[in-house]
Amino acid sequence: RKEVEQDPGPFNVPEGATVAFNCTYSNSASQSFFWYRQDCRKEPKLLMSVYSSGNEDGRFTAQLNRASQYISLLIRDSKLSDSATYLCVVNAIIQGAQKLVFGQGTRLTINP
Amino acid sequence: NAGVMQNPRHLVRRRGQEARLRCSPVKGHSHVYWYRQLPEEGLKFMVYLQKENIIDESGMPKERFSAEFPKEGPSILRIQQVVRGDSAAYFCASSPQNSNYGYTFGSGTRLTVV
Repeated sequence: RKEVEQDPGPFNVPEGATVAFNCTYSNSASQSFFWYRQDCRKEPKLLMSVYSSGNEDGRFTAQLNRASQYISLLIRDSKLSDSATYLCVVNAIIQGAQKLVFGQGTRLTINP
Repeated sequence: NAGVMQNPRHLVRRRGQEARLRCSPVKGHSHVYWYRQLPEEGLKFMVYLQKENIIDESGMPKERFSAEFPKEGPSILRIQQVVRGDSAAYFCASSPQNSNYGYTFGSGTRLTVV
C-alpha cells in the first residue's frame, strides 16, 4: 500500500464549479498534513496546512479525519488560475527523523 | 531574503558523465531535503541532510548517487555515470528544523541525459 494515495484524475471542471480532492495515508503516527500545488514544470508550493478541526482559506477548505486516515481539499467557485496539480502531503517519522511524503498528485483543469 | 536556490536550472549530460546539482537553502535553514520527480510522476524522497550529516538516505539509489551538505557552501547531489533513466527534475527543499512545518522548495534542476 502506498504511503499517500490520491485520485490521480484528471479532473476537468467548468469555471465556477466546486471540486473536491481526496487522499488517504497509511502511517497512523503521522502528525502533519498539507496540500501543495504544483504548476506545470514548476516547484511545489505550499497551499495550506491541514488541521484536525478543519480549516479554510478563502475558497479552499481542508479537512482531516484521523480515524479514517483521510484528508480532503475542497475548492469553491473555481478559477482558471486554479488549474494545477494538487499534492497531498503527509509527514513520516523514520527513526526519529521526519520527512514529507508526497502523493502522486491530482491534476485539475478549469475550463472557461 | 532569498528562497532556496538551485543551480543549474537545466543540465544536459551524456550517458556515463557525472552530474552535480547544487542547492543553497533559505538563510538560517539547517535542514535540506532532496526529491526526484520523474516525468508524469509524483515527488519521491531521496535524502535528508543536516550540516555535515546525512540523516536519512533511504530514498537514494544504492549506487552512483551521493549527497552532502558541508559546513560551508551548498548541498550537493552527485550522480556518477548517468544513465537515461536519471533524467528527471530534482528538487531541493529546506526547513528551519525537522519539525511539523512544510518545506520551501527550490525551482529544481532538470537533468536530461542524452
